[in-house]
This record gives sequence, C-alpha cells and structure tokens, in this order.
Amino acid sequence: DAKTTQPTSMDCAEGRAANLPCNHSTISGNEYVYWYRQIHSQGPQYIIHGLKNNETNEMASLIITEDRKSSTLILPHATLRDTAVYYCIVFIQGAQKLVFGQGTRLTINP
Amino acid sequence: GAVVSQHPSWVICKSGTSVKIECRSLDFQATTMFWYRQFPKQSLMLMATSNEGSKATYEQGVEKDKFLINHASLTLSTLTVTSAHPEDSSFYICSARTSTDTGELFFGEGSRLTVL
Repeated sequence: DAKTTQPTSMDCAEGRAANLPCNHSTISGNEYVYWYRQIHSQGPQYIIHGLKNNETNEMASLIITEDRKSSTLILPHATLRDTAVYYCIVFIQGAQKLVFGQGTRLTINP
Repeated sequence: GAVVSQHPSWVICKSGTSVKIECRSLDFQATTMFWYRQFPKQSLMLMATSNEGSKATYEQGVEKDKFLINHASLTLSTLTVTSAHPEDSSFYICSARTSTDTGELFFGEGSRLTVL
C-alpha cells in the first residue's frame, strides 16, 4: 500500500473550514484514498473515501488532485467536537491489511 | 453505518493471567477482521488479520502464541492476551470489513487493558 504524509498538527478556529492535506505520491491506479478520525480513547471513525473524483458527504468533502498524488479533507464548518487525530490512508479495496500513519492532530479553537 | 462492538471496553488484570477481548459485527457479516494495538499518543499498529475459518496472519514482531486470535464465525473474532504482563497494557482495537468487500472498514470502540 502507498505511504501517506500528513502534517503532524494543525489548528483551526471554530466555525471556519478546516483543510487537512495528505500527500500520497506513490499511489497506484487502483488504490483508494480513505480518511478516518480518532477522538481520544475511541475507535477510529470513518469519514469519507474516494478514488479519483471529488466526494462529499454529510461530514466532509474530499478533494483529490488530478494526478492523484495528494488530497485534501475539508470540514466545512469546524466545531469543537471535530478536535481529533485525522488519518489519511490509501489501499486497494480488498487489501488484506490497512496500515495507519501518524495522522494529523487537529485542534479546533473557540 | 455498520456497527462493530468490542467487549470489554476496559479490563484490569493481574500479571500472569489471560484476558479475552471480543469483537462482534452487529449488523453485517465480516469475512475479515483486523486487530490493532495503540499506545498513548501513538498511531494504531496492526497486529494481525483474521479471516473467518482460517488462521490469523500476524504482523512481523507480533507473537502469535502471546496474542491468540480466533475468528470462528462471520460475526465474532476474539483476541486473547496470554500470560499478560504490564508491558501488554494498551488500547486494543478491532475492525471489520463487510463481506461485500466495499473496502470500508468499521472499527470497534476499543478495549483498554491494564495489567498490574
């Protein structure tokens, strides 16, 4: 599975859009980009995933560059409850393992 | 979304005892389940992958005789930490993939093990 690179930490003001970048320059054509987040002492929560088109759901939007070497997770109106560690992961659907990187610790400030 | 439940959510045991953690997929069949452990302020570390009805595949450095994994049915996988020691204290998390193999993984709430 391709490796991902994310900033260690980010801050965002409450009510503003939080944009979390992820680099995955070695991604292959059949690997999907997945985003999860983990709030302290809980299991990871699925946010969104995509292959090459931009995706949006009730939680977030995922913007994938045309060359697929990077992506951005957008939380449109961040709240204090969005404070968490966000993980960007790429893997083939049906892959036999899912490896987490270090993620980005996002802090939403009042 | 689909629900994965872990039990117990926390457990304290004495050194030398064995502890079993259950992972259940409540509303779907999980052909594949993954077990992770997580130390404070660190990311999740994959321990093993289990497929229903077959032996688990352990990651390098994970002792299979120490961490026994059983995936006897499509809705239940168990992790048994045998002869637990204080260094086994950690947050253990399971995840499951639906049999339709859409790729989406669902995670349990985690089980915090403290070995005294």
